[in-house]
Amino acid sequence: EVQLVESGGGLVQPGGSLRLSCAASGFTLSDHYMDWVRQAPGKGLEWVGRTRNKVRSYTTEYAASVKGRFTISRDGSENSLYLQMNSLKNEDTAVYYCVRIVNDVVEDWGQGTLVTVFS
Amino acid sequence: DIQMTQSPSSLSASVGDRVTITCRASQGIRKSLVWIQQKPGKAPKSLIYGASSLQSGVPSKFSGSGSGTEFTLTISSLQPEDCATYYCQQYGGYPLTFGQGTKVEIK
Repeated sequence: EVQLVESGGGLVQPGGSLRLSCAASGFTLSDHYMDWVRQAPGKGLEWVGRTRNKVRSYTTEYAASVKGRFTISRDGSENSLYLQMNSLKNEDTAVYYCVRIVNDVVEDWGQGTLVTVFS
Repeated sequence: DIQMTQSPSSLSASVGDRVTITCRASQGIRKSLVWIQQKPGKAPKSLIYGASSLQSGVPSKFSGSGSGTEFTLTISSLQPEDCATYYCQQYGGYPLTFGQGTKVEIK
């Protein structure tokens, strides 16, 4: 059974940093593209970024709103995905979801972790 | 960026009604579209990919159609457990983009 468990959310001041983790089980992380998607309180879904699989050299894509501030990485030995978030802004406040991609399509979602940027 | 526009933003229908949600893309995306369901307080769940293919385990009352710039999600017989917000997402080009969502309620 595929499981994605996010952690690392919390309260942070504007300008601060936070690293989110996504523990993956039930599949081999290196075989899959993985996305981060976020949802601000009461709002819709927003794609944050993607890391491709090992065959595609783990290359990444980012939304313009986070490019240069957020970095997606992986730890193959721990089957974990990460989202390093720097220079956080109030508008980054959201629930962040880790998503497994299968054949270019969003397939499995984690339960999410809440990040609150407050001043 | 490819803009995704859903209509309506919300709808209220009776149990057993047929419900249709539309999603329009600002440029052609062939069939690179997914439909996602999100129940209140829950994580999203993928329902349909490739515009019309059901994800494993999704009931057949859900169906999708369309290609290019216009897509529809249909619930053939609305049930209380279908109350949720539905999103479309295009994966035809980066950045991936979502529609703004359609909230479905029971009348």
